[in-house]
Formats: sequence, C-alpha cells, structure tokens
Amino acid sequence: TQLLEQSPQFLSIQEGENLTVYCNSSSVFSSLQWYRQEPGEGPVLLVTVVTGGEVKKLKRLTFQFGDARKDSSLHITAAQPGDTGLYLCAGQTSGSRLTFGEGTQLTVNP
Amino acid sequence: DVKVTQSSRYLVKRTGEKVFLECVQDMDHENMFWYRQDPGLGLRLIYFSYDVKMKEKGDIPEGYSVSREKKERFSLILESASTNQTSMYLCASSFRQANSYEQYFGPGTRLTVT
Repeated sequence: TQLLEQSPQFLSIQEGENLTVYCNSSSVFSSLQWYRQEPGEGPVLLVTVVTGGEVKKLKRLTFQFGDARKDSSLHITAAQPGDTGLYLCAGQTSGSRLTFGEGTQLTVNP
Repeated sequence: DVKVTQSSRYLVKRTGEKVFLECVQDMDHENMFWYRQDPGLGLRLIYFSYDVKMKEKGDIPEGYSVSREKKERFSLILESASTNQTSMYLCASSFRQANSYEQYFGPGTRLTVT
C-alpha cells in the first residue's frame, strides 16, 4: 500500500488567517483528490487534480498538484469558522482504489 | 446528486454477535467500498467490489466479509463481532470519470461492540 503523508496533523487558527495543508508521497498518482469531513458525517469530495502542476480554485481554497504528481497542497485564504473540519487527501494509482492520508484536523476560531 | 445511504447511523452490539451493515447507492456506480475510520489511523479499506458478485480484499479484511448481490447494494458482515471492531464504518461508491474515480461517501455507521 502506498503511503500518503499529510501535514500538519492538527491546525488551530484564528478567523481571517491563511493556512496550507500538505500531502506528500514517494508514489506517482494518476489523480489526487481532496475531501472534507465534518463530525459524524462521511467525507465530501472538494476537488480532483489530474495533471502535474495543475492548480484549481474553489472560492477561498486553492489546490495544487505537484509537477511530478507525487504531492499536493491545499491553501485556504482568510479562513472562516465554517472551514472547520477534517481535510483528507487521497491518491489514485491504478484501478478504482484510493489511498487516503491520515487527515488534517482544522479548527478555525471566531 | 449522488446519494449513498447506510442502514444505521449508530449501532450497539455485543461481543460474538453477527452484524450486518448495509449500503445502498442510487447512481448505478460500478465500484463500492467499505472503510473503517479510527482516530490516528485514517481511513482503512476493508473490502471493495467492482461489479455484482465480485469482491476484493482491502488492507484489513480479517474478521469481515462482504456481499454484493445487486449493483446498488454492498453489505459488510462482521461474522462474530469483537470489541476491537468498534469503529466508524464508511461506505463509498465510485465510477470512472475521465482519468479518475471520485468516491462518494455515505454518512457512516458508528458501531460500538460491548
């Protein structure tokens, strides 16, 4: 099983601050996905990136796929309390299986 | 919208009981998955299925079995529940979209084995 490492594991910030979450692996992925999970619910897909160097924006969230397709980052600008949740990255190598990182628990304090 | 439903949100069972967790998806997805999620361990794949009556072991299949008799339904079975199977169980489905398989999750079943 390929390993996907996320950092930081926990992040607690004030409303209005910026933050970046990292997802790294030694494996090459054909695609990488980011999910957000709220307490007591299943993860919800935020974005899929498939091309090395690709950047996608979703309102205040910016996702980047590394040139070598081994790493990715999620940047949140001006974080809000509604951004609080567990952020998971997941890489696809072959077939339909995904390898998930352990997640970054983000808390945005008002 | 894709909808994945799980039969129970919360379940309490006794050690040794046989436990059935049901998952249904309404979007005709060919792939379905069962994960368990534990603090500090992330999502771990138990079993998955890429077609009716087909199943593949994931990373932690021991103590579990699955059944997929219909395309929309994927069941996880704990033959004899044990306390170390207390966990959050998540079902997901996916289909091929361009070069990726995006997974859609159910709300989860929090299982407690006493």
